[in-house]
Amino acid sequence: SQQGEEDPQALSIQEGENATMNCSYKTSINNLQWYRQNSGRGLVHLILIRSNEREKHSGRLRVTLDTSKKSSSLLITASRAADTASYFCATDPQFYFGTGTSLTVIP
Amino acid sequence: DTEVTQTPKHLVMGMTNKKSLKCEQHMGHRAMYWYKQKAKKPPELMFVYSYEKLSINESVPSRFSPECPNSSLLNLHLHALQPEDSALYLCASSQVSGYEQYFGPGTRLTVT
Repeated sequence: SQQGEEDPQALSIQEGENATMNCSYKTSINNLQWYRQNSGRGLVHLILIRSNEREKHSGRLRVTLDTSKKSSSLLITASRAADTASYFCATDPQFYFGTGTSLTVIP
Repeated sequence: DTEVTQTPKHLVMGMTNKKSLKCEQHMGHRAMYWYKQKAKKPPELMFVYSYEKLSINESVPSRFSPECPNSSLLNLHLHALQPEDSALYLCASSQVSGYEQYFGPGTRLTVT
């Protein structure tokens, strides 16, 4: 019953490069949220974008939302080794998490 | 205090045991959630409490029994679990249902 699919499943980049991950979902949403999870730990909320918004920024994060395509993207600019984690999108009201992207940033 | 706490951190239980997981938040949030996460998989929603009432039950087996004694506390009672129930159990809270969720560190459950 997963709502979202993310791609790529895994991404490996050099420190300083940008990382882009994508999320697609299936049904209408109120908002879409992005979370980060370091290995085996709780999730940390990164950013929330409402269904009537197209783009949102927070620090080095940029999120876009295309409700006509039922898709969102998360861009992390100037990546750091500390950004190494799994990234998930999640939709409201269904509370379903996407399959996740495992990001590795190589120092 | 922007923290969600979960106890215990680790739990090993036999299939005939009864145990409980506890989750607490003091942010005044009125929605609380239980998720189950298997290794290398996304969290799967189990239950949602909104204003201390169960609002979503994602067809979870009855061997998992949630309880919300008050607005700050959420329990998950476990009974007669199966080895496939071994997973990381995550609790989260949000201001109201649908807002950004704050997650606890999780309880790593192993059923033997």
